[in-house]
Amino acid sequence: AQTVTQSQPEMSVQEAETVTLSCTYDTSESDYYLFWYKQPPSRQMILVIRQEAYKQQNATENRFSVNFQKAAKSFSLKISDSQLGDAAMYFCAPPRDTGTASKLTFGTGTRLQVTL
Amino acid sequence: EAQVTQNPRYLITVTGKKLTVTCSQNMNHEYMSWYRQDPGLGLRQIYYSMNVEVTDKGDVPEGYKVSRKEKRNFPLILESPSPNQTSLYFCASSFTGRIQPQHFGDGTRLSIL
Repeated sequence: AQTVTQSQPEMSVQEAETVTLSCTYDTSESDYYLFWYKQPPSRQMILVIRQEAYKQQNATENRFSVNFQKAAKSFSLKISDSQLGDAAMYFCAPPRDTGTASKLTFGTGTRLQVTL
Repeated sequence: EAQVTQNPRYLITVTGKKLTVTCSQNMNHEYMSWYRQDPGLGLRQIYYSMNVEVTDKGDVPEGYKVSRKEKRNFPLILESPSPNQTSLYFCASSFTGRIQPQHFGDGTRLSIL
């Protein structure tokens, strides 16, 4: 069975502070891609960042970066200098297991609140 | 503008009345898929299609049908909707399923009474 865990259903961060959202998964694949998506109150799903598993370097997009630990099957999202507009649901989308790679999986989400 | 268009955005209907949610993309993507989003469960894939006339079940296909007769369109059909299908539905597309990010439609809020 596919296992994706976002262990923090809700998190809160003060504006300008840093927050890290966690995601763990299970796969026997060796070459894969991982994604974080953001869903603001408008309910649109927006790509935040993509990580390629074969790359040693963690992906970075402006204030968003990942901490990818392949052996631990962990893919956390760090948001630096948090802004009010970062308030949203965040979903990780890790790989699936071998044989089901055409299916896509999302975590259960972490709701991020940003406070003044 | 590159986009995935879903219709309708909102629909309230009754049990057993067949409905179709349309999805169209203008990016020449091969991979298209449908998801439902429920509180505490995240997004779960219903069906996906890797190309025209190629469709397969996702994780929660029961009670749904799809078709892919043209590359750009991927409608979701509920032949006999039931209240447990009340949910927020998303259509998404990409060139490939697992390598490129998904482009999502704006979502369809379905309420089955």
